[in-house]
Amino acid sequence: GAVVSQHPSWVICKSGTSVKIECRSLDFQATTMFWYRQFPKQSLMLMATSNEGSKATYEQGVEKDKFLINHASLTLSTLTVTSAHPEDSSFYICSEGIVREQFFGPGTRLTVL
Amino acid sequence: QKEVEQDPGPLSVPEGAIVSLNCTYSNSAFQYFMWYRQYSRKGPELLMYTYSSGNKEDGRFTAQVDKSSKYISLFIRDSQPSDSATYLCAMSYGGSQGNLIFGKGTKLSVKP
Repeated sequence: GAVVSQHPSWVICKSGTSVKIECRSLDFQATTMFWYRQFPKQSLMLMATSNEGSKATYEQGVEKDKFLINHASLTLSTLTVTSAHPEDSSFYICSEGIVREQFFGPGTRLTVL
Repeated sequence: QKEVEQDPGPLSVPEGAIVSLNCTYSNSAFQYFMWYRQYSRKGPELLMYTYSSGNKEDGRFTAQVDKSSKYISLFIRDSQPSDSATYLCAMSYGGSQGNLIFGKGTKLSVKP
C-alpha cells in the first residue's frame, strides 16, 4: 500500500504560536489528501479535504482561518494551526487514497501549553 | 444519535480466544465498511473493507455486514498478543474519494 509520512511526530508549543504539520505521500501522487483530528478516547474526525492546486474543503465546525491547509504539490500537504490554544492539543493524522483503501500517516501529537 | 456507535471497551481476552468486535450505524446510505487497527500513538492501518452486505474473510479475520440491522462485525480467530490494539470501524457513503466516518474504537488486549 501507499506510504504516508508526517512531520513532526510530536510538537509542543506555547499558546498563541503557529505550528505547521507536513504530510507527504512517499510513493503515490495524491491529488487529494485528508486531515483528521483525534482527541483522547474519541474517534477520528475529518477536518478537511486537501485538494492539490485548489482550496481545501473544510468540514462543518472547522475554522478555515485557524487551520490553514496548503496542497502545493502532488506529494505534500501542510496543515498550519494558527494561534494555537490548549484546546487545539490533539493527534492530527493525514491520509490519502480512495474511500475503500485510505492510507494514514503516523500522526502528529500537538500539545499546546 | 451518533452516526456510528462502537463500544470503546476495553476488551481483554486470553490468547487463542475468538474476538468479536462490532459497530452499529444509523444511516442506511453507507455503502463501504472498513475495519482499521491502530496501535498506540500511530496512524490507523486498514485491515479489511466490505462493500454493501455480506462476509469477507482474510486469514484469521472475518468481516460481516448486515445492512438490514445496520450492524457490522469483525471476528478475530486464534487471537494473539500482537493483536492487542484499538480497532476502529469506519464507513463511507460511497464515491471514490468520500470521507470516512469512524467509530470511537474498541481497545483490545490479548493476554498470553
